[in-house]
Amino acid sequence: NAGVTQTPKFQVLKTGQSMTLQCAQDMNHNSMYWYRQDPGMGLRLIYYSASEGTTDKGEVPNGYNVSRLNKREFSLRLESAAPSQTSVYFCASSESERGREYFGPGTRLTVT
Amino acid sequence: KQEVTQIPAALSVPEGENLVLNCSFTDSAIYNLQWFRQDPGKGLTSLLLIQSSQREQTSGRLNASLDKSSGRSTLYIAASQPGDSATYLCASIWGGSYIPTFGRGTSLIVHP
Repeated sequence: NAGVTQTPKFQVLKTGQSMTLQCAQDMNHNSMYWYRQDPGMGLRLIYYSASEGTTDKGEVPNGYNVSRLNKREFSLRLESAAPSQTSVYFCASSESERGREYFGPGTRLTVT
Repeated sequence: KQEVTQIPAALSVPEGENLVLNCSFTDSAIYNLQWFRQDPGKGLTSLLLIQSSQREQTSGRLNASLDKSSGRSTLYIAASQPGDSATYLCASIWGGSYIPTFGRGTSLIVHP
């Protein structure tokens, strides 16, 4: 069981570039989440998907889009990257909404 | 907006000591509270999840309690070991929400 996997592990972008962060889980979980972690700000929820076919905004959704591709995969897209989006991004999953969450190893993104 | 506070921000103890980490929250209408561990450069690992109807949860040397009336949760670590060194975070979800609020964590060092 790999749990929650994320690609890439590291990424450097120039302002205005776009990219997609990939996340997959092999635990047959229904719910998936995208967070960002910033020094002094803690972890904040960007978007979540309570079940396949649904997505909802979290605390800080501006500048991001998500796709729940199937039950296993949940991607996060930055259409036009900004320096304020420099952060560590974590994907997580849980068996059901508001359940125990299992995190991936993170993607460290720098936007210059 | 609900807030979650963890004090102290950092703690250093000798090996073998029993210790308590604190997490306080502003609204007693809590749905659940989760404790996580984060090692440097890694994702979060869920340690314990307490539902609002529960008073405590135990896993090995860890015991987490929940007191809604006082707005507090504590994580008790028995017989601490150097391998327990990490940052410990708590996160709460409130009754009508699906968005967790994270504390900023307590950085624990257990020295031999």
